[in-house]
Amino acid sequence: AQKVTQAQTEISVVEKEDVTLDCVYETRDTTYYLFWYKQPPSGELVFLIRRNSFDEQNEISGRYSWNFQKSTSSFNFTITASQVVDSAVYFCALSGEGSNYKLTFGKGTLLTVNP
Amino acid sequence: GAVVSQHPSWVICKSGTSVKIECRSLDFQATTMFWYRQFPKKSLMLMATSNEGSKATYEQGVEKDKFLINHASLTLSTLTVTSAHPEDSSFYICSARDINRNTGELFFGEGSRLTVL
Repeated sequence: AQKVTQAQTEISVVEKEDVTLDCVYETRDTTYYLFWYKQPPSGELVFLIRRNSFDEQNEISGRYSWNFQKSTSSFNFTITASQVVDSAVYFCALSGEGSNYKLTFGKGTLLTVNP
Repeated sequence: GAVVSQHPSWVICKSGTSVKIECRSLDFQATTMFWYRQFPKKSLMLMATSNEGSKATYEQGVEKDKFLINHASLTLSTLTVTSAHPEDSSFYICSARDINRNTGELFFGEGSRLTVL
């Protein structure tokens, strides 16, 4: 069984602060994928990143960075110099070969960036 | 990039009526599509896996007769909420996997917001 835990339900920061969203996962699959999605108030899911289980390299994309650590089963997401437009719900998700790549979502973290 | 389109984006219906939501992959083929449901301020819960040319696979607790899924072609899956009731009001999102990409990535539709009066 797959499980994704996002312990932070809500986070509130002031603009320009850095913020890290935590994600811890559980899976028995050897091959799996981890994702982060952003869901703004409009509702659509915006894909941010996909990482496969064999690639532990951290990634940076502009103000976004991701830290994948298999040893702790974590895939944390950091936003540097946050902006008001970053306000959204962020979901971490997991899919694995053992479940035919069904995507299991965490409960999401509501990030509010205040001006 | 791969695009998944859902229609309608939002729908309001009377209790007891049936509502059909379409999910189309516009520029790729998908043998498998997934239907999710999201309650306000909640996570996305997988309802069922839609398989082209065969019956859908429903998650535990999801009523098959209530939520009819048809995947008639490699680019279209439909979800029909039958005899809708107010408790069926929710945000429904579909996703699809490109059969030509072995990346595990799913592409999501824009979602359909259903309100049952």
